[in-house]
Amino acid sequence: DSGVTQTPKHLITATGQRVTLRCSPRSGDLSVYWYQQSLDQGLQFLIQYYNGEERAKGNILERFSAQQFPDLHSELNLSSLELGDSALYFCASSSPPGGAKNIQYFGAGTRLSVL
Amino acid sequence: GQQLNQSPQSMFIQEGEDVSMNCTSSSIFNTWLWYKQDPGEGPVLLIALYKAGELTSNGRLTAQFGITRKDSFLNISASIPSDVGIYFCAGQLRDGGSQGNLIFGKGTKLSVK
Repeated sequence: DSGVTQTPKHLITATGQRVTLRCSPRSGDLSVYWYQQSLDQGLQFLIQYYNGEERAKGNILERFSAQQFPDLHSELNLSSLELGDSALYFCASSSPPGGAKNIQYFGAGTRLSVL
Repeated sequence: GQQLNQSPQSMFIQEGEDVSMNCTSSSIFNTWLWYKQDPGEGPVLLIALYKAGELTSNGRLTAQFGITRKDSFLNISASIPSDVGIYFCAGQLRDGGSQGNLIFGKGTKLSVK
């Protein structure tokens, strides 16, 4: 158990809908990262938050947004969903904002199916 | 954007065999990490490397941070059935422009012969 909790584990929805994925980082970790993993693909970095503020942005679509709350949990919002958004979404957390010893610990992921 | 080239893409192992995989890039990295992902689970950290030339072991796993800081390899000795899964390398860029996010290779899928 990595200590990173993601909910829900599975999500099935229709095109055009909006969903929210939730992540609770490891106790004490200030950074949260979101990744997308499509079938047979590697992990694509979406966005990072550190202590409530956006720190880095990757290949995140404009239809997607995220935030980190004062209790450090984070939510990833996906709107106007398309079939191609079906994927595994992972959250990871780490403590320092990107120092040399930064190690990211991953949650078990949310599997999103858009029908 | 930056890319990591991970090879091989897939390989079949027989119990007891040694396995080797590597990652290369045209960019210089401060950190190399190796993760393993089982089906339906998130990646789990196996080994972390922080210095060029560093060689680190974790049980039957050994990984090295390349001298040029642009590559890393992972060896698994005397493989067992539970080694099956997808192995990812990940690097953190030296220039820090990415503020801590990792760049991942596309993975090496290990299957049983």
